[in-house]
Amino acid sequence: GDSVTQTEGPVTLSEGTSLTVNCSYETKQYPTLFWYVQYPGEGPQLLFKVPKANEKGSNRGFEATYNKEATSFHLQKASVQESDSAVYYCALISNYNVLYFGSGTKLTVEP
Amino acid sequence: GALVYQYPRRTICKSGTSMRMECQAVGFQATSVAWYRQSPQKTFELIALSTVNSAIKYEQNFTQEKFPISHPNLSFSSMTVLNAYLEDRGLYLCGARLGGSYEQYFGPGTRLTVL
Repeated sequence: GDSVTQTEGPVTLSEGTSLTVNCSYETKQYPTLFWYVQYPGEGPQLLFKVPKANEKGSNRGFEATYNKEATSFHLQKASVQESDSAVYYCALISNYNVLYFGSGTKLTVEP
Repeated sequence: GALVYQYPRRTICKSGTSMRMECQAVGFQATSVAWYRQSPQKTFELIALSTVNSAIKYEQNFTQEKFPISHPNLSFSSMTVLNAYLEDRGLYLCGARLGGSYEQYFGPGTRLTVL
C-alpha cells in the first residue's frame, strides 16, 4: 500500500538557520504530494501541494521539489522564524483517493 | 475561502457510552470526507473515507459497527463513536476534499476523552 516516511523529530533550530525535513514515499500509482503544517490546538493546514514530477511547490518561504526518480519530497526553508514552530507532515494522495500522512516532524525554533 | 468546522471541539464520555461528532464544510462542496484519529504521538490513523452517493470505505481495524458515519449532503458529515473505551481517546479530524481537486481541508478536530 501507499506510505510516507519522514524525518523523525523533534527538530530544534535557532532563528535564521536553515531547515530540511526529509520525506520519502512509496506507491505504485502516480501521486500528488503535499506538505501540511499543524499548530497546537488546530487541525493540519495545507502548506502546498505538487501534482507533477519535477515541479516545485512553495509557500511562506518553504519549498519542496517532487523527485519521482528518488521518490522524495524534502521540505526546505532557508531561514526559519520562531513562528514556524509547529508539526510538519508530508502526505500523498494516489488514485485510491486517500490522503496518507507521514508520522510528522515537530519543529521548534528558538529565538 | 474553504473552511471546515467540527463540533464539539472537546468531549468527555464515560467508558462504554457513545458520542457523536459533526463536520461541516463551509464555502465549498466537499465531494468526500475522510475521518482520521490522531494519537497523542501525533500520528494519523485513517478511519474511513465517505463519498457522497457511494459506499463508505472503512480502513482495517475500524468498522461501521463501531464508527457509524452519516454523509447526507456535500456539506455535512457526522460520525459516532459507539461504546467508547480508553483506546478510543484522541483527536478526531475531519478532512473535506474540494470537488475536482486533490486538496483536503481539515477542521480543528474533536478531542475525545474517555473516563
